[in-house]
Amino acid sequence: GAGVSQSPRYKVAKRGQDVALRCDPISGHVSLFWYQQALGQGPEFLTYFQNEAQLDKSGLPSDRFFAERPEGSVSTLKIQRTQQEDSAVYLCASSSYPASATNEKLFFGSGTQLSVL
Amino acid sequence: AQTVTQSQPEMSVQEAETVTLSCTYDTSESDYYLFWYKQPPSRQMILVIRQEAYKQQNATENRFSVNFQKAAKSFSLKISDSQLGDAAMYFCAYRSDSNYQLIWGAGTKLIIKP
Repeated sequence: GAGVSQSPRYKVAKRGQDVALRCDPISGHVSLFWYQQALGQGPEFLTYFQNEAQLDKSGLPSDRFFAERPEGSVSTLKIQRTQQEDSAVYLCASSSYPASATNEKLFFGSGTQLSVL
Repeated sequence: AQTVTQSQPEMSVQEAETVTLSCTYDTSESDYYLFWYKQPPSRQMILVIRQEAYKQQNATENRFSVNFQKAAKSFSLKISDSQLGDAAMYFCAYRSDSNYQLIWGAGTKLIIKP
């Protein structure tokens, strides 16, 4: 596609529900990142994929968070048993370069705003 | 650990005038990259400008320029001839040469007065 696409744009969940957030990166992009942006804050790193391999999940806040990219393209971020503190915008970004490349340029999606009631 | 600080929660400027947004950072690394991103209400982060720490020359992109002071660990963004479309949140971000994770400031909301 022309850009990074994320869906849904808004998601309201009741506390305890499971949610799945989708990211469709630019076609052919090797790297895919997930960031969490709390209200009034800058984003915080969650996880990184190079193709289908999840090379870094150090930013995932708990074992309720799980991400996958099984075919090296679309990625899904799943949050189990959602809590109010999970309320945030979840941003996805992709790049045509591996993350180790210093000339990488990231392309961001418009995020999914998750509200947990 | 690296940190990025944006001390101005909000700035306003008259259309066509110049505004400077401040950013300071803390790191013990010598090789790193600094970025300014714009986030409009659409929430999509858009890269405005990038600076490599090893370059002494300040980066410039059309009406956007930076003042990079490596010793002071300061990285301010100057927007000249401000336009209504510049209104957005602006985030300063840092990336070390050895770690791809971006470290972000809390952002500055820029308001353009017509």
